[in-house]
Amino acid sequence: AQSVTQLDSHVSVSEGTPVLLRCNYSSSYSPSLFWYVQHPNKGLQLLLKYTSAATLVKGINGFEAEFKKSETSFHLTKPSAHMSDAAEYFCVVITSSGSARQLTFGSGTQLTVLP
Amino acid sequence: DGGITQSPKYLFRKEGQNVTLSCEQNLNHDAMYWYRQDPGQGLRLIYYSQIVNDFQKGDIAEGYSVSREKKESFPLTVTSAQKNPTAFYLCASRVQETGNTIYFGEGSWLTVV
Repeated sequence: AQSVTQLDSHVSVSEGTPVLLRCNYSSSYSPSLFWYVQHPNKGLQLLLKYTSAATLVKGINGFEAEFKKSETSFHLTKPSAHMSDAAEYFCVVITSSGSARQLTFGSGTQLTVLP
Repeated sequence: DGGITQSPKYLFRKEGQNVTLSCEQNLNHDAMYWYRQDPGQGLRLIYYSQIVNDFQKGDIAEGYSVSREKKESFPLTVTSAQKNPTAFYLCASRVQETGNTIYFGEGSWLTVV
């Protein structure tokens, strides 16, 4: 079995300050990990993914995430928040079983950026 | 351009009606998925299909039906048996191997009137 826990349902930051969105996972197999962003009434857009290569992954719009196996974490960060970053963010785990049932979404973190 | 197209974007259903949401992809992906998203909540899996002419129930399949007659198409029917269908529906697809990205459509809003 696998699971994904996004530790904060809401995060609020001021524009220009760092962003940290936390994701912990559990998986019996070597996971692939993804972060997606969803703006209101839109589909999910891929920000970045980890697939057992470099543990520090850089994505679009200045976001990056670090895979820490010892901590089973894949936290998303950005050095300086922009107003356009306000959205919902989802952490996703896919395992190597190949079964669609092994694709697991976190419950989401709503990011608010204050002017 | 390759991608996933969902239609319609907005749909209204009367009580007792069946409605069908369309999902088409030209990415040549084998696996396709339907998710339901309620306001302020995460995604819940309704149905998925790993190959043409095969599909499996997800976590909340009751009141829904699907078909997969063609690789590029995976329509979702919301039947009258679904008692609370008002939600945002997302279709997705991916190549089955681990590490491959899941791609999403733009979503469809279904409202019961």
